[in-house]
Amino acid sequence: KAGVTQTPRYLIKTRGQQVTLSCSPISGHRSVSWYQQTPGQGLQFLFEYFSETQRNKGNFPGRFSGRQFSNSRSEMNVSTLELGDSALYLCASSLLAGGSPYEQYFGPGTRLTVT
Amino acid sequence: KNEVEQSPQNLTAQEGEFITINCSYSVGISALHWLQQHPGGGIVSLFMLSSGKKKHGRLIATINIQEKHSSLHITASHPRDSAVYICAVTTNYGGSQGNLIFGKGTKLSVKP
Repeated sequence: KAGVTQTPRYLIKTRGQQVTLSCSPISGHRSVSWYQQTPGQGLQFLFEYFSETQRNKGNFPGRFSGRQFSNSRSEMNVSTLELGDSALYLCASSLLAGGSPYEQYFGPGTRLTVT
Repeated sequence: KNEVEQSPQNLTAQEGEFITINCSYSVGISALHWLQQHPGGGIVSLFMLSSGKKKHGRLIATINIQEKHSSLHITASHPRDSAVYICAVTTNYGGSQGNLIFGKGTKLSVKP
């Protein structure tokens, strides 16, 4: 099976712009979670989607949003980019959501640089 | 205080040494995960455990639910084990298992 894929892998944007990142989960996985990793804050949870519904959201401003499509692919969007949004954005997929925890499989990440 | 604490932050070992990385947490959990991150960013899940002990090759993970503590052991360490090891927990509230809370990571360097 193909692993989790994320596009693009690298991205450079300017302050004030918006950006959309994409994540394709492992075939058959219906849950997708997004995480932000920065040198200062480490890894932090952004949001989780299951069957096109957002199930949980981390403590991030409303500029960060996401969605999931019927084929389980997910996108996240950051509007009005700030320098502090420069980070590695990781998505992870798992078989199910809720109930017993399942192992998460991570994508390679998208490295976003905001100038 | 972070909800997930790891120690040590940095660890340098000689090839062949036995390595232990510790993780303590302060929240209720349904599972604890050990992750490995190599330079370049990719994260690999090593273990997910909710009780007892798991072994995979030279890696062993243990968890003590009562003490809210887990350890990751690497036997006969090798330079290819050099990476950042991250402890993360799935909390047992909210019905969501995608909300991982992460430790800051332990950077391991194994010298030949």
